[in-house]
Amino acid sequence: NAGVTQTPKFRVLKTGQSMTLLCAQDMNHEYMYWYRQDPGMGLRLIHYSVGEGTTAKGEVPDGYNVSRLKKQNFLLGLESAAPSQTSVYFCASSYIAASGGYNEQFFGPGTRLTVL
Amino acid sequence: GNSVTQMEGPVTLSEEAFLTINCTYTATGYPSLFWYVQYPGEGLQLLLKATKADDKGSNKGFEATYRKETTSFHLEKGSVQVSDSAVYFCALRGGGGADGLTFGKGTHLIIQP
Repeated sequence: NAGVTQTPKFRVLKTGQSMTLLCAQDMNHEYMYWYRQDPGMGLRLIHYSVGEGTTAKGEVPDGYNVSRLKKQNFLLGLESAAPSQTSVYFCASSYIAASGGYNEQFFGPGTRLTVL
Repeated sequence: GNSVTQMEGPVTLSEEAFLTINCTYTATGYPSLFWYVQYPGEGLQLLLKATKADDKGSNKGFEATYRKETTSFHLEKGSVQVSDSAVYFCALRGGGGADGLTFGKGTHLIIQP
């Protein structure tokens, strides 16, 4: 199993350009998440999805859109990139616990995005 | 809302020293608690977890006990190695449904030979 994979690994954009980050997981997980990691800030949740066709806003959703057309994929879009969106983006997935407890999330390797 | 506070680094120790990284949290209900580790240039890996009060999570010589009375989940290791150098994140997951994790800001640990 590849686990959680992210494409691309690195990208440089100019202000105003758009792009889509792809996250894929092969663990048949229901839940998927997008986070951004900034120096001294830890990770902050952008958007998440509890299943195919559903998405929800996290802590810092402005300037981003997401889609979950297939269970295994979760796309993060930047419609008009801004320098404030320079960050490392991590995707994660998680599964439903039979006991109802909260399970750990499995993370991808990250995408380093620079907006000039 | 939920929040996690952990000691800021960098924390520099000599090999074989005892390690403690403090973590305290604020949450409603009964959250699950996690420690993740991030090695340079990599994503986060789960180090250990605890899902209810008084649970002790352990892995690779690291331990942390879920203390509800002090709302803490401190990470400890008796004898650190150079290979333990990394950034450590304390995190919680609480509330209902599939909410994401709430992370602390991370603690950069440097182990010197």
